Amino acid sequence: AQTVTQSQPEMSVQEAETVTLSCTYDTSESDYYLFWYKQPPSRQMILVIRQEAYKQQNATENRFSVNFQKAAKSFSLKISDSQLGDAAMYFCAYRSAIGKLIFGQGTTLQVKP
Amino acid sequence: DAGVIQSPRHEVTEMGQEVTLRCKPISGHNSLFWYRQTMMRGLELLIYFNNNVPIDDSGMPEDRFSAKMPNASFSTLKIQPSEPRDSAVYFCASSLGKRGSYEQYFGPGTRLTVT
Repeated sequence: AQTVTQSQPEMSVQEAETVTLSCTYDTSESDYYLFWYKQPPSRQMILVIRQEAYKQQNATENRFSVNFQKAAKSFSLKISDSQLGDAAMYFCAYRSAIGKLIFGQGTTLQVKP
Repeated sequence: DAGVIQSPRHEVTEMGQEVTLRCKPISGHNSLFWYRQTMMRGLELLIYFNNNVPIDDSGMPEDRFSAKMPNASFSTLKIQPSEPRDSAVYFCASSLGKRGSYEQYFGPGTRLTVT
């Protein structure tokens, strides 16, 4: 069975600085997809970024980028130029080609002004 | 598009009562997912449908839980009888297609409290 692990329950960053959230996963599949979701206090789940396992190039969405290391089964999220609105819980998620979305435990990000 | 719509947003009920949560997926999406979020267990998939057919219900905790999708624009999650341990936030999500490449879009969630 696939598992997703986020080892950092809480992180903090100074406004305008860069922060990296860690995620590792375990799978025996070769075809899968990885996502980062953001959950602000409103509890709405918002998709931040996605990565296809077959793509070597790391995904980037504006200030958000990932470091995808397939052999190491690592999928970290880097937030550049952090803003107060980035404060939220961030979830790493794994989805197989035909299966369900499996979430990590989440990392609460605090942004300090 | 209005996004995924869930109702009610909040539900407070007494133990033993029946609870029905509702979801309207994004128009054109043919996969629908029900998740539950708790402090202890995090986010976990309960069941998902593709083209209105249940594909994986292995996450449904027990027989007290049931889900239906009578048509492409409506799904329900029912708990009967409800128990205090069912208190959680229940999310509905939808996506285009069955394959994992498609993003899932989440509704705002229903916060259920069972006293």
